[in-house]
Amino acid sequence: EVQLVESGGGLVQPGGSLRLACAASGFTFNNYNMNWVRQAPGKGLEWLSYISGDGSTIYDADSVKGRFTISRDNAENSLYLQMDSLKDDDTAVYFCVRDGLGFDYWGPGTPVTVAS
Amino acid sequence: DIVLTQSPGTLSLSPGERVTFSCRANQVLSSNSLAWYQQKPGQAPRLLIYGASNRATAFPDRFSGSGSGTDFTLTISRLEPEDFAIYYCQQYGRSPYTFGQGTKLEIK
Repeated sequence: EVQLVESGGGLVQPGGSLRLACAASGFTFNNYNMNWVRQAPGKGLEWLSYISGDGSTIYDADSVKGRFTISRDNAENSLYLQMDSLKDDDTAVYFCVRDGLGFDYWGPGTPVTVAS
Repeated sequence: DIVLTQSPGTLSLSPGERVTFSCRANQVLSSNSLAWYQQKPGQAPRLLIYGASNRATAFPDRFSGSGSGTDFTLTISRLEPEDFAIYYCQQYGRSPYTFGQGTKLEIK
């Protein structure tokens, strides 16, 4: 069974940093591209970052470019999102998502609150 | 960037009715790389349709997707109570992988 479980969310002050992690299981992790998607309270879905299966290709949304960094450790079956220079409007639930045929598996999400 | 516009924003219907959701792109989508997702309150989205018309195995055949180029449609042939949710379209052919703003399907 495919499972994605995010961790690392929490409360952080504006300008601070957080590192999100996503533990993957139930599939051959390095065969799949992965993404981070977020959802602000009461709002729609926003794609943030993509990383290819071997980690060689990365795409980022303009809203997070230069502040967020996606990475992966295929030996540990883990995906990461390093979030720096956090702003109030980064408050959201952050989802780890497998890129199969479409975004086919989603984790339950980890909430991030940016507030002073 | 590819912008996806979903209409309408909210639909109020009754169980047993047929519903159609629209998703329009401002550019032609490559390889019909259009997906639909269903999201219920407090839950992660679930993939419903990929490649514009391929239904994910978890969903029954009352759900169908169609369209190509810039105009795409999701249809539920006969609404069941568990279908009331928010539906999002997404293009995954070209970065940034944009989502539509969603259509909320509520019980009338």
